[in-house]
Amino acid sequence: EPEVTQTPSHQVTQMGQEVILRCVPISNHLYFYWYRQILGQKVEFLVSFYNNEISEKSEIFDDQFSVERPDGSNFTLKIRSTKLEDSAMYFCASLSQGRTEAFFGQGTRLTVV
Amino acid sequence: AQTVTQSQPEMSVQEAETVTLSCTYDTSENNYYLFWYKQPPSRQMILVIRQEAYKQQNATENRFSVNFQKAAKSFSLKISDSQLGDTAMYFCAFILGYNNAGNMLTFGGGTRLMVKP
Repeated sequence: EPEVTQTPSHQVTQMGQEVILRCVPISNHLYFYWYRQILGQKVEFLVSFYNNEISEKSEIFDDQFSVERPDGSNFTLKIRSTKLEDSAMYFCASLSQGRTEAFFGQGTRLTVV
Repeated sequence: AQTVTQSQPEMSVQEAETVTLSCTYDTSENNYYLFWYKQPPSRQMILVIRQEAYKQQNATENRFSVNFQKAAKSFSLKISDSQLGDTAMYFCAFILGYNNAGNMLTFGGGTRLMVKP
């Protein structure tokens, strides 16, 4: 089965620091996503990316967040100045054109201290 | 906007028994896809099963099957012969078909399933 790969698996950062979370989606997929999940809570949509641009974003995805697909394979989420409340599990997902394949990476656990 | 509701925050089942997790959704569109994901304690999101709305036949995947009732907008997951490894959080998710503008995968709030020995 194809895999979405996320790195790092766990990152600890100090409040105010910038972090970059990385994802390698499935190569022939067209839609890419970032979701986050605060411990014990629901899965929250952050942003979707299609055709090299953001197609949808949530209220959570404010100016502190940005996404890039710099080299056609990696898909990154940057948080410019982390806050304590950014501590969560961050999931990358990719979706096929036909929408029958929607796979998630194993997640990055971000801890802001 | 589409919404997904899982009305059972927690459920438990005895090992080897059958359990059904409920999911309802709300949409005015006709072309969409539905998914069930399993999230074990490792917190990885694992695709369990998917259903295309245009297919009348319910999807099955080994011990996992769905009861898709399009008119009722219901998409329940049945787990047969429950195993201890099925203990996890289960999320129902919805996405519009590819010919629609929106492509956000919308999740329900999750059902925590405990399989008891």
